[in-house]
Amino acid sequence: DIQMTQSPSTLSASVGDRVTITCRASESITNYLAWYQQKPGKAPRLLIYKASYLQSGVPSRFSGSGSGTEFTLTISSLQPDDFATYYCQQYESYSLTFGGGTKVEIK
Amino acid sequence: QVTLRESGPALVKRTQTLTLTCTFSGFSLRSSGMCVSWIRQPPGKALEWLALIDWDEDKYYSTSLRTRITISKDTSKNQVVLTMTNMDPVDTATYYCARRYSANGFDYWGQGTLVTVSS
Repeated sequence: DIQMTQSPSTLSASVGDRVTITCRASESITNYLAWYQQKPGKAPRLLIYKASYLQSGVPSRFSGSGSGTEFTLTISSLQPDDFATYYCQQYESYSLTFGGGTKVEIK
Repeated sequence: QVTLRESGPALVKRTQTLTLTCTFSGFSLRSSGMCVSWIRQPPGKALEWLALIDWDEDKYYSTSLRTRITISKDTSKNQVVLTMTNMDPVDTATYYCARRYSANGFDYWGQGTLVTVSS
């Protein structure tokens, strides 16, 4: 299986900060990567698909980049609603896998 | 609009078989490129993908769980069913179903259903 490693696992930031989360794949997944946001007690929400395509309705402060094995999710200016846990997920292989998650906390 | 809803028992005993149903509306699993997947999340832990079924009835399973899980669909009822055998307390989790269209991510999710496995 393709392993997905996210870093950091926890991130403390302030409103207005630029935040970057990294996801590394154990082998190339071309651009078949999605990013999700999850808040406590809620289902995940799709933010980015195919590494850099913004899902409809998602604010433009979210962006994704990368290809192959290294990917990033960037929040250009952190807002109060963005404090949550973020997951990457690859769908290159027939056995999909998620990263371990990055919790974005208030500094 | 697209909705998905999971249903099934909240509590199962160790060694029993779990059957969960995902009932969806607003799209058809007959449409080319359409898929429904099951994903679970133990309390306080990360998401774990379990299985996927597509419009062409192709089925894909988690490598670590493939001997225990089966996914199936009833297109006429707009339902996708997951069965998991030999349940164990480590299988305690919130189980979600989610839709994916073509090469996009999972864009619609159910609210999830918490399944507790007692020993």
